[in-house]
Amino acid sequence: AQSVTQLGSHVSVSEGALVLLRCNYSSSVPPYLFWYVQYPNQGLQLLLKYTTGATLVKGINGFEAEFKKSETSFHLTKPSAHMSDAAEYCCAGLTDSNYQLIWGAGTKLIIKP
Amino acid sequence: DAGITQSPRYKITETGRQVTLMCHQTWSHSYMFWYRQDLGHGLRLIYYSAAADITDKGEVPDGYVVSRSKTENFPLTLESATRSQTSVYFCASGTQITGELFFGEGSRLTVL
Repeated sequence: AQSVTQLGSHVSVSEGALVLLRCNYSSSVPPYLFWYVQYPNQGLQLLLKYTTGATLVKGINGFEAEFKKSETSFHLTKPSAHMSDAAEYCCAGLTDSNYQLIWGAGTKLIIKP
Repeated sequence: DAGITQSPRYKITETGRQVTLMCHQTWSHSYMFWYRQDLGHGLRLIYYSAAADITDKGEVPDGYVVSRSKTENFPLTLESATRSQTSVYFCASGTQITGELFFGEGSRLTVL
């Protein structure tokens, strides 16, 4: 079955610390992978995406993610957390069936001052 | 302004009533989607549309009806609202080429 799994419904880090949000996908999901961010009371917006080519993908606001086929992972990182990074982060994979995204359950990132 | 807009943003209704959530996009994207977002779940697809007059069921379509007579509009109707349909509903649009979706700000529906 196709699936995208995010480890940790909540992740808490101190301001200035490394942010690591984990996402794993089932091997049956084609390697079109996305990270979206959702700020409170807003819709989701694309943070970054991997389709083909370079496996290290840079996104907005200093975030990046690395596609690792051998580990079926697409973890999101940022070297130094900022208070404005507090949001919900959603990982998704694109199926090859009728352009439907498969979504992880989301991870709420909490930034401690 | 270009973008995707949802209305209403907030709605309270009673069990058994019909409710329609509106979605309008200005990009002429071929694909449009309706998702619901509930605590503990990822986004769940209700219905999607590949083009005007072409719609298909997603993961959780029961109790919902959609139509798409024009490319830019994709209304979602709850024919007889139930408490289990209390949720935040997101409309999105996109093109198959990029895989990127553009989301509205959401419609928070409470069914009493």
